[in-house]
Amino acid sequence: GQNIDQPTEMTATEGAIVQINCTYQTSGFNGLFWYQQHAGEAPTFLSYNVLDGLEEKGRFSSFLSRSKGYSYLLLKELQMKDSASYLCAGRWTGGSYIPTFGRGTSLIVHP
Amino acid sequence: DSGVTQTPKHLITATGQRVTLRCSPRSGDLSVYWYQQSLDQGLQFLIQYYNGEERAKGNILERFSAQQFPDLHSELNLSSLELGDSALYFCASSAHGVAWETQYFGPGTRLLVL
Repeated sequence: GQNIDQPTEMTATEGAIVQINCTYQTSGFNGLFWYQQHAGEAPTFLSYNVLDGLEEKGRFSSFLSRSKGYSYLLLKELQMKDSASYLCAGRWTGGSYIPTFGRGTSLIVHP
Repeated sequence: DSGVTQTPKHLITATGQRVTLRCSPRSGDLSVYWYQQSLDQGLQFLIQYYNGEERAKGNILERFSAQQFPDLHSELNLSSLELGDSALYFCASSAHGVAWETQYFGPGTRLLVL
């Protein structure tokens, strides 16, 4: 299958750095999205990686290693408002090309 | 605000009933996607439309159907409702319906089946 695996829950301290990992099936892989979703709200787009490497957008960065089937989302200078679920979603060739979402990682930021 | 609107925000109904959820995409977007999100399943893709035509189908039950109208708004019809259909239903839109495009999600409709 095109499984996406990510940890269920993580906690971190305000001002710290946290890395949220995501692993996926490499066969036919075509790209990976990260979305942020606050409780009861809509997911919002954070990043899309196709090529290996790190892409930085302000406090958030996303990394991809295609050969290892691995991605991470790095959040720096954590703020309380960063408490949310972070969804990893992958695309594969063949069949429906619609991104498949993981179950999300619930990040709790405490003072 | 993503620019995608969904109505109603909340819906409470009984088993066996039928409901219609409505979505208006962002201005200029031609493609609409429907997703179901429940606590135990995560975000599940149901169906995609592009410019009025069905483009991709996911884990959509036969009791569910959707369409996209000439003005590009979309409706998701859920019939013979069961308790397990209680979930958040999201609509998303994108400009051209291609896989690498960002999808912009609406605020969702929370459905409770009693």
